[in-house]
This record gives sequence, C-alpha cells and structure tokens, in this order.
Amino acid sequence: DQQVKQNSPSLSVQEGRISILNCDYTNSMFDYFLWYKKYPAEGPTFLISISSIKDKNEDGRFTVFLNKSAKHLSLHIVPSQPGDSAVYFCAASASFGNEKLTFGTGTRLTIIP
Amino acid sequence: DSGVTQTPKHLITATGQRVTLRCSPRSGDLSVYWYQQSLDQGLQFLIQYYNGEERAKGNILERFSAQQFPDLHSELNLSSLELGDSALYFCASSADGRAYGELFFGEGSRLTVL
Repeated sequence: DQQVKQNSPSLSVQEGRISILNCDYTNSMFDYFLWYKKYPAEGPTFLISISSIKDKNEDGRFTVFLNKSAKHLSLHIVPSQPGDSAVYFCAASASFGNEKLTFGTGTRLTIIP
Repeated sequence: DSGVTQTPKHLITATGQRVTLRCSPRSGDLSVYWYQQSLDQGLQFLIQYYNGEERAKGNILERFSAQQFPDLHSELNLSSLELGDSALYFCASSADGRAYGELFFGEGSRLTVL
C-alpha cells in the first residue's frame, strides 16, 4: 500500500528552466510534508517542508506547493542548476498517532547543461 | 556530513547468515530510525527508537531486530538472510523523535546477499 506516490521515476530539465516534481498521497491523516534530496553514495538530505496549515513554502530557489483537496504536492526549482541533479524523495507524516515518515519512491532529476 | 555514522558501508554475505549493522546518531540526538531501500523502491520504514525505547514499528520482518544502547548508538540485526534482503539500509537520527522534524541520514550500509 503506497501511501505516498511519485509517479515520475525520472525527469530531465534544461539548465535555467523550471523543474517541477510531483507527489500524491492517499492518507488524509498526513499533515506534514517534506522533500529530501539524495546524491549517489550519500544519504538523503532534507530540502524543504510544509505544514498542512499552509499551501506554499519558499526557500530560495525551492518552493513547495500543497493542494490538500487534491492530496497533491509539488516541488518547484527555479532556476534549475546542474548541481540539482539528484533523486528527490517526497515524504509525509501524521502528527498524531504513529509519527513515522512515509517516503515515496523518488524522482531522478537530471539537469541538462 | 550529516553527523550520522553507519558501519559497515558495504557487506557481502550468503543466504542463511546473520549480520549486524551499526549506527551512531548525531551528537545530542535521542531518536534513531532505520529505513530499507530496495532496488527502485522508496525508503521503507523499519523501526524507530527514542532514548533506548522502541517508539514506532514499520514493516520490519520477524527475522530482523534492533536495539538502541545507553550511549544512543543503535544496531540492526538481520538473520536467516534471503536474497531479497539485499538492499541499502539507512539509519537516521533526530533530536526529539518527532517525525515532522528534520531527519539526518547516514550514508547507508549496502547489503548484498548471494
């Protein structure tokens, strides 16, 4: 039962353009969402998060949008840079009950110079 | 460098064997999480410890067990290994065990079962 889904295994974007990574979830108890970035041979590192009381959170070139009614979130990277090439994982948690982070399967982003 | 240390980085063993993966959390972090990443899969939550006590349990097999010691390091024991146990095992830590806080991941231990 995949409660957090990233339906695009890979994405290629030209340097300087916008990268949009998508994530869908099924568990309506999820109220906190995070994006992690992973380079080869390294562990995932935290990128940005959003609480369900917001619909947008920005941090520099990275913006996460949350659409609660559609159970959908997206990560926008503008402008995309070669160093952004990595695997991006979406994760979600519920603040009550079992608080574990549930991860999606990841999207491999390749920025083309 | 996340501050989370995992050993060994690579491990090759045979079916039926038993291995132990070790994790040292970031200094001051009380909570340790174990995740499994199989080929083309997301990170599957296995188990969480907080200050020595089991806090949450995921899809951890009965052949697997874990513990967190008084010095807060943790070990994941995998026994009666099967080919399907080949995966990358990540340890993560956080300060207070709240899942909506940031987790800090180690580089992972890659287990290959032949």
